[in-house]
Amino acid sequence: QVQLVESGGDLVKPGGSLRLSCAASGFTFSDYSMSWIRQAPGKGLEWVSYISSSGNSMSYADSVKGRLSISRDNAKNSLYLQMDSLRAEDTAVYYCARKRGGTFYFDYWGQGTLVTVSS
Amino acid sequence: QSALTQPPSASGSPGQSVTISCTGTSSDVGGYNYVSWYQQHPGKAPKLMIYEVSKRPSGVPDRFSGSKSGNTASLTVSGLQAEDEAEYYCSSYAGRNGVVFGGGTKLTVL
Repeated sequence: QVQLVESGGDLVKPGGSLRLSCAASGFTFSDYSMSWIRQAPGKGLEWVSYISSSGNSMSYADSVKGRLSISRDNAKNSLYLQMDSLRAEDTAVYYCARKRGGTFYFDYWGQGTLVTVSS
Repeated sequence: QSALTQPPSASGSPGQSVTISCTGTSSDVGGYNYVSWYQQHPGKAPKLMIYEVSKRPSGVPDRFSGSKSGNTASLTVSGLQAEDEAEYYCSSYAGRNGVVFGGGTKLTVL
């Protein structure tokens, strides 16, 4: 069965950096686009970024452009989110989600990892 | 403020039907047939319920249906059951803005 397991969430100071990982299993990882979606405590969902199946094409929400960077390693069945210049408003649960190329819905989600940005 | 507008709450009694709206613009909901709906129970990850306006993934009961008219999409839950009580989010492709979500609707089964 499809499994997505996020890790790397932590408490970090404003301006700091963090790298999130998402380990995928149960499907051919290199066949699918992947995405990061976040949810601030008690708030709604916010799309952050997605990356093509090959890793050659990425897209970002304006709120994170230039500070967060998505990448993947198809040999390791892993998705990453490098987070730099973190702000308090980046505090959220970060979910990785599978997205079929050419479509714009997310059919499987991980359980999420919590990132807290606070001094 | 979310890009798509949903009512904060909706409710219905068991067995009844309830419809949740999701209003966007011609740059998102109205411009593409890429509206999807997600169900989220407290403390859990979202689950895909409807994609591409009206398609149901395997395993989602046919009590859940989706539609769209102009810039407004709708999710209808028929024959409400206790386990349908959850938060529901709509989303849409928005061109260069990527994917946008609604603010969520808390569905209460009375």
